[in-house]
Amino acid sequence: NAGVTQTPKFQVLKTGQSMTLQCAQDMNHEYMSWYRQDPGMGLRLIHYSVGAGITDQGEVPNGYNVSRSTTEDFPLRLLSAAPSQTSVYFCASQGSDTQYFGPGTRLTVL
Amino acid sequence: GNSVTQMEGPVTLSEEAFLTINCTYTATGYPSLFWYVQYPGEGLQLLLKATKADDKGSNKGFEATYRKETTSFHLEKGSVQVSDSAVYFCARGRGSGYSTLTFGKGTMLLVSP
Repeated sequence: NAGVTQTPKFQVLKTGQSMTLQCAQDMNHEYMSWYRQDPGMGLRLIHYSVGAGITDQGEVPNGYNVSRSTTEDFPLRLLSAAPSQTSVYFCASQGSDTQYFGPGTRLTVL
Repeated sequence: GNSVTQMEGPVTLSEEAFLTINCTYTATGYPSLFWYVQYPGEGLQLLLKATKADDKGSNKGFEATYRKETTSFHLEKGSVQVSDSAVYFCARGRGSGYSTLTFGKGTMLLVSP
C-alpha cells in the first residue's frame, strides 16, 4: 500500500492562477479530508468527503472546491489563487482507528 | 463550538528530561482525543489516542490520560530523546468516532543532547 499520496510536493503560483492539488489513497477508505497548515494556526479543515459523490465544507472552505468521483481520489482545486492561500496542504484518509496523512503540498502564491 | 487549546512552544529540554505538554478541549459531547506528531518535512502521524473518559493512550514512551473532569489530555514522557524533537498536535474528533478532527496549534519540542 502506498497509503496517502499527494502531488505536487511544491508549487509556486501567481495571483489569479488556478491549479489542482491531487490526493489519492489505496486503502479503500470512505472518509477523506483536506487541511491547511499555517504557522501558529495548527491544521484547519478545508473540505471533507464521506464517500464518492459526497462532499461538505469544513472550517475554511472559501476559495477552494473539491469533488469526489471515486473512492480513491479527492482533488482540491484553487480557482483563482490568492497570497492568503500560501500554506502547506495535507490530505488525510480515515481508517478504522486513525487518520492517515499524506506528505503535504507546499504552495506559495506570489 | 469544538476547540482545542495546547501550550505554546517551543519547549526546550535536555535529553532524559521529563516532558509535559498541556492540552485542554471544549466539552461538547464525548469526543475521541488524539496526539499527533509531525517530524520535520513530514506529514502528521498518530502518536496515541483515547476514546473515553479515564482511558490512557500510550505509545513510544508517551502517555496521555483522558480527563473528563478537567477536560484535559496532557501528553507526558518520562525521559525524552533527541529523536523526539518534533511538533506535537493535540486533536479532538467531532463525536465518539474519528470523523474530522479539530487541532490545537501545535507545540514544538526541541531536545538537546
